[in-house]
Amino acid sequence: GQSLEQPSEVTAVEGAIVQINCTYQTSGFYGLSWYQQHDGGAPTFLSYNALDGLEETGRFSSFLSRSDSYGYLLLQELQMKDSASYFCAVRRNRDDKIIFGKGTRLHILP
Amino acid sequence: SAVISQKPSRDICQRGTSLTIQCQVDSQVTMMFWYRQQPGQSLTLIATANQGSEATYESGFVIDKFPISRPNLTFSTLTVSNMSPEDSSIYLCSGGTAARTDTQYFGPGTRLTVL
Repeated sequence: GQSLEQPSEVTAVEGAIVQINCTYQTSGFYGLSWYQQHDGGAPTFLSYNALDGLEETGRFSSFLSRSDSYGYLLLQELQMKDSASYFCAVRRNRDDKIIFGKGTRLHILP
Repeated sequence: SAVISQKPSRDICQRGTSLTIQCQVDSQVTMMFWYRQQPGQSLTLIATANQGSEATYESGFVIDKFPISRPNLTFSTLTVSNMSPEDSSIYLCSGGTAARTDTQYFGPGTRLTVL
């Protein structure tokens, strides 16, 4: 089966950089996705990595190492509006459904 | 990105009643899913809504409790039947494409409280 591990909470200071890690176990791997969810809001897609390396989109970057079954989401120049939960997700091998990690709650201090 | 709308946004229901949640997606979406999320928790897949046929349910979810319809490509409903307080949760509709199921777009969710 598939499983994902990510920290439950991370705290950082406004303007700083924070990294949210995700390790996964899966019998077949297609790629790692990241979603952001603000309190009371819907999850929104942030990024997807199918190949090793770093993908950058503005202040957000996502990294994947397939050999280590590991990825991370990097948020730079943190803003208070980045306070949210962040979920990593993988595609389930047997039927392509998405399986989400338990989520990391990011707290940003002024 | 796809546009997903969902209604109602919230409801408070009595034990033993049923609630039907509607989800409308735009034409970019070919696959539709229903999730449940307890506050502060992860998303749990309930089922895949299949156009014109029975939904595909995940382990722990059954059609009698969560009947799902998808009469056409862009519309689906989820009914929470014979509700109990344990059904209080946020129900989310999502859509994706067969080519990129890794990228899903979510509706705003329905916050259900069962008394």
